[in-house]
Amino acid sequence: AQTVTQSQPEMSVQEAETVTLSCTYDTSESDYYLFWYKQPPSRQMILVIRQEAYKQQNATENRFSVNFQKAAKSFSLKISDSQLGDAAMYFCAYCSETSGSRLTFGEGTQLTVNP
Amino acid sequence: EPEVTQTPSHQVTQMGQEVILRCVPISNHLYFYWYRQILGQKVEFLVSFYNNEISEKSEIFDDQFSVERPDGSNFTLKIRSTKLEDSAMYFCASSDGILSTDTQYFGPGTRLTVL
Repeated sequence: AQTVTQSQPEMSVQEAETVTLSCTYDTSESDYYLFWYKQPPSRQMILVIRQEAYKQQNATENRFSVNFQKAAKSFSLKISDSQLGDAAMYFCAYCSETSGSRLTFGEGTQLTVNP
Repeated sequence: EPEVTQTPSHQVTQMGQEVILRCVPISNHLYFYWYRQILGQKVEFLVSFYNNEISEKSEIFDDQFSVERPDGSNFTLKIRSTKLEDSAMYFCASSDGILSTDTQYFGPGTRLTVL
C-alpha cells in the first residue's frame, strides 16, 4: 500500500522569506501523481501544485515550486517570498491509476507566517 | 469560482443516531468523493461515486455508511448508527474526471461530533 509521510508537524517562516515543506512517500508503482493541498483556517482544501511522476521537470506555480526526487521518493514544496496568506495546513497527497481515484494524504504541516 | 459546499458545518449527535451529511458538488462535475479526518490523524478516503453508484470504497466504508445523489445537485453521506469513533471532519470533493490527473475540489468540511 502507498503511504505518504510529512515529518514536520509545524513550520514557521518570516514574511518574504522562503520555506520548504518536506514530504516522502512509499510506492512500488512507477506512474503516479503527487499533490500539495493547502487548507487555510477557513477549512477549504485547495490544490496548490501537482507533479506527474513521469515528468522530470519540477512543477512551478508562481511562488510555489516542488523538488521532486523520484529515486528518493521525496516531494518537497518550496514557498518563496512567503506571505501572511500562505499560513495554512499543507497536505501532501499521492494518487495513481492503479489506486483508482483515491488520494492518499500525509499528516499535514501547519505553516505559520510571521510578520 | 465554483466551489463545493457542505452543510452543516458542525453536527452534534448522540451515539446510535443516524446522521446525513450534505454536499453540493461543483455543477458540471460527475465524480464525487467523501474523505474523513479524525482529529490528529490523516485525511482518509472513504468512497467515490459516479453515475449513481459507488466506484470505489475503502475498508472504513462499512455497512453503516451509505452515499446517495438524491437529486441533480446534492450528494449525501449517511451514517446509520453513529459511534463515538465516527467523530471526525468529513470532507466532500468532486472532480470532472476519474483519472489521477483530474483535480479533486474539496468542500470546507462538516465536523461531526458523536456524544
